[in-house]
This record gives sequence, C-alpha cells and structure tokens, in this order.
Amino acid sequence: KQEVTQIPAALSVPEGENLVLNCSFTDSAIYNLQWFRQDPGKGLTSLLLIQSSQREQTSGRLNASLDKSSGRSTLYIAASQPGDSATYLCAVYGGSQGNLIFGKGTKLSVKP
Amino acid sequence: EPEVTQTPSHQVTQMGQEVILRCVPISNHLYFYWYRQILGQKVEFLVSFYNNEISEKSEIFDDQFSVERPDGSNFTLKIRSTKLEDSAMYFCASKEVNTVTYNEQFFGPGTRLTVL
Repeated sequence: KQEVTQIPAALSVPEGENLVLNCSFTDSAIYNLQWFRQDPGKGLTSLLLIQSSQREQTSGRLNASLDKSSGRSTLYIAASQPGDSATYLCAVYGGSQGNLIFGKGTKLSVKP
Repeated sequence: EPEVTQTPSHQVTQMGQEVILRCVPISNHLYFYWYRQILGQKVEFLVSFYNNEISEKSEIFDDQFSVERPDGSNFTLKIRSTKLEDSAMYFCASKEVNTVTYNEQFFGPGTRLTVL
C-alpha cells in the first residue's frame, strides 16, 4: 500500500532564505506526483505536476524534482517571502483512475 | 480561469441527518473525485466517478455515502445518516483526461461539514 511521508512537519525560516521540502513515497511505481499549497481553512492550490518520465518541473520561484527509483521528491522554494507561508502537500497518483495519495504536509512559516 | 466550485462553504447538521454536498467541476473535465480531510489529518481519497458511474472507491466510502451527477454540470456527494466522525472538510476535484502522462487534478475550495 502506497504511503507518502513529508519531512519536516513544520519549518520556520526568515524571509529571503532558500528552502527545501521533502516528500517520500514507498512504492516507486507511480504515474505522477503533484505538489499543492493549502492556506488555513482553504482548498488546495496546485503548484506543480511532475510526470513520471520527468525529473523536475519549474514554476517561478518553485522547482520540484522527482527521483522515482529512490521514492523521493523535493520542492525547492527560492528567496522565500512571508506570502509563501502555508502548508505544502505532496501527493502521488495511485489507482487506475488516478486518485491521489497525500502526505500530511509541511507547514511553512516565513518570518519578515 | 475555469475553476471547481463547491457549495455550501460550511454546513452544520445534526447527527443522523442527511446532507448533500455540491460541486461544479470544470466544464470540459471528465473525471470527478471526492476527498475529505479531517482536521489535522491527511487528505484522503473517497471516490472517483467517470462516465456516470463510480470507477473507484476507498474503504471510507461505505453504504452511507453516494455520489451522483444529476445534470451536465453538478456532481454531488450525499451522506445518508451523518455521524460525528463525518465532520471534515470535503473537497471535490476534477481532471480533463486520464492518461499516464497527464493527470493534473484541480480542487475546489471545500465544504466544511460539522456534525453535532
């Protein structure tokens, strides 16, 4: 059964710092991996989707990498800003219809 | 930009009552999903729906739950007799196609269900 783990559970950094969020999954036979942002009490905003054939994907200050063989993905945030404060969720695609299996998230706080 | 919408944003109900949560997926999407997130826990898959039938469901999705696409735009989740442990945020999601190379799901803002 696929399990997704995110470390650390919480992270506090000063503004401007570059940071890395980690995601690991137990079954490397995934189709794709998706990173989301969740603000308190709100829905999920898709940040990046990495296809199984890709090794990384970039959007603005965000860069996500995928290493299927080791069962890991990282989300790199450059030059962090207070507006980046949120919970970041990693999810892998499982099942024949592509249902997502989520990690518990990393709660990021960027201090001004 | 097209988005998934959900109503209501917050629903309070008494234990044992029936609730219907509503979603309007993105118009050209073909696959629809319900997920839930109990406070402080992971987002969990409930059910997927394609071509007017359930394609996959988790063990959470028992006989108390049902889904329906009553018309060309709405997608609903019904809980027949709510329990305290059904209190959670319920998310609807949709995606356009189902291929191994492209699978991005788009989520709605959620409905917070509180069962008293």
